[in-house]
Amino acid sequence: KQEVTQIPAALSVPEGENLVLNCSFTDSAIYNLQWFRQDPGKGLTSLLLIQSSQREQTSGRLNASLDKSSGRSTLYIAASQPGDSATYLCAPGNTPLVFGKGTRLSVIA
Amino acid sequence: GAVVSQHPSWVICKSGTSVKIECRSLDFQATTMFWYRQFPKQSLMLMATSNEGSKATYEQGVEKDKFLINHASLTLSTLTVTSAHPEDSSFYICSATGSSPEQYFGPGTRLTVT
Repeated sequence: KQEVTQIPAALSVPEGENLVLNCSFTDSAIYNLQWFRQDPGKGLTSLLLIQSSQREQTSGRLNASLDKSSGRSTLYIAASQPGDSATYLCAPGNTPLVFGKGTRLSVIA
Repeated sequence: GAVVSQHPSWVICKSGTSVKIECRSLDFQATTMFWYRQFPKQSLMLMATSNEGSKATYEQGVEKDKFLINHASLTLSTLTVTSAHPEDSSFYICSATGSSPEQYFGPGTRLTVT
């Protein structure tokens, strides 16, 4: 059974900092891995999807890497902004997705 | 990207009553839909998987007679919480897949049972 761990559980940084969120998973037999953002009381917004054959994916200030063999993924956020404040969820992809508990990010202006 | 909607976005009901939540895929045919539940500050927990035209598969610990799932068409799945209790208060999120394995998520439904 897939288990997902996200570190840190919470993170507070000043605006402008670069930061890294970590995700580890136990079953490396995955099709892909997705990173999501969840604002309080809201649904999920898909940020990045990395196919199992890829090592990284970029979208704007976000960069996600995947090391499938070691069961790890990282989400790098460059030049953080207060609007980035949210919970970030990692989901190694086999259908259905299994989620970690997320990292609660606060970016202070 | 593909769009999934949920209705209602929030609902309050009295203990002992039933409430139905709808999940619709708006621009694609959803062969499989999933229902998740999320308690405050917790992760999403998969409740059940439903395929169009067949019975849902429930995760261990989820009561199928309490959480009735119907996937009657390729664009609609419903979750009915029967005889709701305050402990059923939660955030319910559906997702759907079509021809690709990528899951598309609905905006969620906040259920409060008083």
